[in-house]
Amino acid sequence: GNSVTQMEGPVTLSEEAFLTINCTYTATGYPSLFWYVQYPGEGLQLLLKATKADDKGSNKGFEATYRKETTSFHLEKGSVQVSDSAVYFCALTPRANSKLTFGKGITLSVRP
Amino acid sequence: GAGVSQTPSNKVTEKGKYVELRCDPISGHTALYWYRQSLGQGPEFLIYFQGTGAADDSGLPNDRFFAVRPEGSVSTLKIQRTERGDSAVYLCASSLSGGGGTDTQYFGPGTRLTVL
Repeated sequence: GNSVTQMEGPVTLSEEAFLTINCTYTATGYPSLFWYVQYPGEGLQLLLKATKADDKGSNKGFEATYRKETTSFHLEKGSVQVSDSAVYFCALTPRANSKLTFGKGITLSVRP
Repeated sequence: GAGVSQTPSNKVTEKGKYVELRCDPISGHTALYWYRQSLGQGPEFLIYFQGTGAADDSGLPNDRFFAVRPEGSVSTLKIQRTERGDSAVYLCASSLSGGGGTDTQYFGPGTRLTVL
């Protein structure tokens, strides 16, 4: 079946540090890949997505590239801010249907 | 416009009781999803509706769980004979058409269910 594996957390960074959050997946065919974010006290929000190999999703300074050869979709940001503190979830949906399969999530804390 | 709304935001019940959780999707969205999120985990899929019909209910854990969407808009997740292990945040999401993995799902704030 489909699965998503995220790196273990939590992650604590200083403001303006570089961020990488690893995500790898197992799926048949060519799934769509997503990063969702959950800010404190808020619901899940789509951060970015990529629907085919080599696509790059980007939003709010975050980027992730769909790598079919390594089955990965790592999230990066060049300079994090305190306001980026949140829980980040990697997820996929297969082509054939729409149900999302999520990773466990990782908590990011950015200190001033 | 209005997003996905869920009621109640919190529900505390006793073991063995029946509960109903409600989801109002974004207007015009034909696809509706239910997920369950346990502490420290990512959301897990329960059921997906396309219009009024359940297109995929493979995530429902057992026959105590049931969901309906009689008019293709509001949905209710029903849990019979609740158990302590049912305690979790129940999330609802909707999307415009539900097609093929490229359609963005918009999530509600969730209902936190606690079974004592």
